[in-house]
Amino acid sequence: GQNIDQPTEMTATEGAIVQINCTYQTSGFNGLFWYQQHAGEAPTFLSYNVLDGLEEKGRFSSFLSRSKGYSYLLLKELQMKDSASYLCAVIGSNYQLIWGAGTKLIIKP
Amino acid sequence: DTAVSQTPKYLVTQMGNDKSIKCEQNLGHDTMYWYKQDSKKFLKIMFSYNNKELIINETVPNRFSPKSPDKAHLNLHINSLELGDSAVYFCASSPVWGSGANVLTFGAGSRLTVL
Repeated sequence: GQNIDQPTEMTATEGAIVQINCTYQTSGFNGLFWYQQHAGEAPTFLSYNVLDGLEEKGRFSSFLSRSKGYSYLLLKELQMKDSASYLCAVIGSNYQLIWGAGTKLIIKP
Repeated sequence: DTAVSQTPKYLVTQMGNDKSIKCEQNLGHDTMYWYKQDSKKFLKIMFSYNNKELIINETVPNRFSPKSPDKAHLNLHINSLELGDSAVYFCASSPVWGSGANVLTFGAGSRLTVL
């Protein structure tokens, strides 16, 4: 079957760095997304990876290894506003999005 | 201007009632979606339309009926509401179907509570 795994919850300190991992097993691969969702709000797009390697966008970076079925989202210089859920999603062979259950990130002062 | 707007934002109703949620996007996107997010925060695809044609119809009770009058609108009608239908329903749109880099833009969500 198709499966996406990510930790349920993580805690980090303001100003620090945190890495949120995502592993996937899907039939086919056409790219991996990370979305951010604040409590009570809609998910918003953070990043898209289709080739192996690191994509950097300001304080946020996303890494992909297709051979390992693995991605991570790296958040630097954490701010309180980064407290949110981070959703990993993979586009499979039929172009349907397969979503992980999300990682709730709690930032402490 | 809101890119993807859905109404109502909150909906509280009794079991057995029928209700509708409306969605409109002004992004010129071809594809629209309905997602259900339950209390565990898992996003589950329900339906997807591409240029008014149904392309995804997941295992959803037939009490749920989508309708796309044009590619900018996708409405969701729910008959005979049950307690388990309580959730947040998100409408989303994307530029195309069948492309990898196909970013979804979500509406603000409609929180449905069935009593």
